[in-house]
Amino acid sequence: AQKVTQAQTEISVVEKEDVTLDCVYETRDTTYYLFWYKQPPSGELVFLIRRNSFDEQNEISGRYSWNFQKSTSSFNFTITASQVVDSAVYFCALRETSGSRLTFGEGTQLTVNP
Amino acid sequence: DAGVIQSPRHEVTEMGQEVTLRCKPISGHNSLFWYRQTMMRGLELLIYFNNNVPIDDSGMPEDRFSAKMPNASFSTLKIQPSEPRDSAVYFCASSFGRAPQETQYFGPGTRLLVL
Repeated sequence: AQKVTQAQTEISVVEKEDVTLDCVYETRDTTYYLFWYKQPPSGELVFLIRRNSFDEQNEISGRYSWNFQKSTSSFNFTITASQVVDSAVYFCALRETSGSRLTFGEGTQLTVNP
Repeated sequence: DAGVIQSPRHEVTEMGQEVTLRCKPISGHNSLFWYRQTMMRGLELLIYFNNNVPIDDSGMPEDRFSAKMPNASFSTLKIQPSEPRDSAVYFCASSFGRAPQETQYFGPGTRLLVL
């Protein structure tokens, strides 16, 4: 069965610090997709990135970067030079080829203090 | 372009009442998902439609919950009768393309409180 674990329940940093959010997943499929979503205080879920299991290249988008390591079943998310507006709950999610559902992790509450 | 639209955004009702949540997916998307978010259980899929047909409803809690998608631009999630434990945020999401690689885009959610 698929499972996503975000061991960090809450992280608090000071503005301009770098912060990494961990995501570890379990799946029996060889083909699967990983996602990150952001849920700001307003409550909506905002898509950030999608990564397939055959593409282990790291990705950078502005201050955001993602490190996918199949060997450790991890898909970590780093925010460089964090800002107050980055404060949100961040969810990692997995979708297998064999299933229709997104399995979400428990989420990490990130608070960036000025 | 408009994203996924959900209504109402907030709903307060009394136990035993019928509740209907509505969703308009992004135009052109062929899959629609209903999720529920609670503190205890996190985000969980309730039901998934593809081309207006329910594909996976294994997450629907019980017979009090029902969902329909009469056409490509509208879906409802109904709870009858509602109970306090149904209090949660209900999200609708839509996507285009083939599972599992397509990206699901979420609506703003409906915050339901059952008293």
